[in-house]
Amino acid sequence: AAGVIQSPRHLIKEKRETATLKCYPIPRHDTVYWYQQGPGQDPQFLISFYEKMQSDKGSIPDRFSAQQFSDYHSELNMSSLELGDSALYFCASSLGRGYTEAFFGQGTRLTVV
Amino acid sequence: SQKIEQNSEALNIQEGKTATLTCNYTNYSPAYLQWYRQDPGRGPVFLLLIRENEKEKRKERLKVTFDTTLKQSLFHITASQPADSATYLCALAYTNAGKSTFGDGTTLTVKP
Repeated sequence: AAGVIQSPRHLIKEKRETATLKCYPIPRHDTVYWYQQGPGQDPQFLISFYEKMQSDKGSIPDRFSAQQFSDYHSELNMSSLELGDSALYFCASSLGRGYTEAFFGQGTRLTVV
Repeated sequence: SQKIEQNSEALNIQEGKTATLTCNYTNYSPAYLQWYRQDPGRGPVFLLLIRENEKEKRKERLKVTFDTTLKQSLFHITASQPADSATYLCALAYTNAGKSTFGDGTTLTVKP
């Protein structure tokens, strides 16, 4: 069965550079969530989209922005990267806005040097 | 703000025994409490969800209980196997599916 696809799997950027992470949800899923997981830490919710509109916002820095496109894929744009942004970034998708099971992707490991 | 505590960072048990992991929270009860498994460098994998009006949920060798009075969930793996070794995360959701607050996780090691 198709799963949540994230790209790239690994990304190395320098401080102050910009990075774009992509997430392709499971087919027919209309809701996407972004999480950041630092080393040894639990996943922290960043932002979510439902039907291409932002639905919830968590601890997402102002330097980051995200959007969901007409084909339901989502992109997380990160600017002015800092060393502390190094983390695993997960995307999850679900069908519907109410509670349904959320499926996580394999994540993108971002390293800022 | 909500604080979630999972029992000891690491839990070591012998194969065949039952592993019991705890998840305690401090503030108001969530609408849904979920348990995920996470292997190193990989995304969390959904295991079970229990709603605030449910006491217990089972799935194969897994069992979850939810006590809103104690503000606690217990996660049991019966007949544990070395392949069950992973980090287990509990997550609280108040509104919708993926917007969850995760605990720090408990790393379970099942020894043969």
